[in-house]
Amino acid sequence: NAGVTQTPKFQVLKTGQSMTLQCAQDMNHNSMYWYRQDPGMGLRLIYYSASEGTTDKGEVPNGYNVSRLNKREFSLRLESAAPSQTSVYFCASSYRTGQGANNEQFFGPGTRLTVL
Amino acid sequence: GEDVEQSLFLSVREGDSSVINCTYTDSSSTYLYWYKQEPGAGLQLLTYIFSNMDMKQDQRLTVLLNKKDKHLSLRIADTQTGDSAIYFCAESINDYKLSFGAGTTVTVRA
Repeated sequence: NAGVTQTPKFQVLKTGQSMTLQCAQDMNHNSMYWYRQDPGMGLRLIYYSASEGTTDKGEVPNGYNVSRLNKREFSLRLESAAPSQTSVYFCASSYRTGQGANNEQFFGPGTRLTVL
Repeated sequence: GEDVEQSLFLSVREGDSSVINCTYTDSSSTYLYWYKQEPGAGLQLLTYIFSNMDMKQDQRLTVLLNKKDKHLSLRIADTQTGDSAIYFCAESINDYKLSFGAGTTVTVRA
């Protein structure tokens, strides 16, 4: 099992450019998440998908869109990149079994994005 | 609101015990987690504790939970150089969300 994979590993964009970050998991998890990590701020949730066909906003959704393509794949799109979106982006997945259940999340290796 | 707090840095001598502390705010959190992040890598789940437990031990790791004070700690016995990393505490906020602390950078010195 590869677990959670993310592409690309590194990316440099110019302000205003667009790009899509890809994420896939092979653990048959039903929930998937996108986080960004900034120094001294921990991880902040951008969007999540509780199950195939649904997506919801997290804490910091502005400037991003997501697509849950199928059960395995969850992509994050930056339509018009800004320097404030320079960050490390992590995708995660979990196998939730119900309300109040353990929601341990498994993380990918991250995408390091710089917007100039 | 949700706010998980951790001290930012910890320096420990190799072979000593490390204790990383965390406070959380949501008394309804059912699970609390400790993650480890090595340089350039993603987060790896170390351990978790269910809210009705006071302590959980897993090899060199001991988690203590004080629900009254909303305080969580992670003790690493016999700390090794490979334990140098950033450690994140996280609480479950609702069915889907984990709220993370800012992370504690642990440096192990010889």
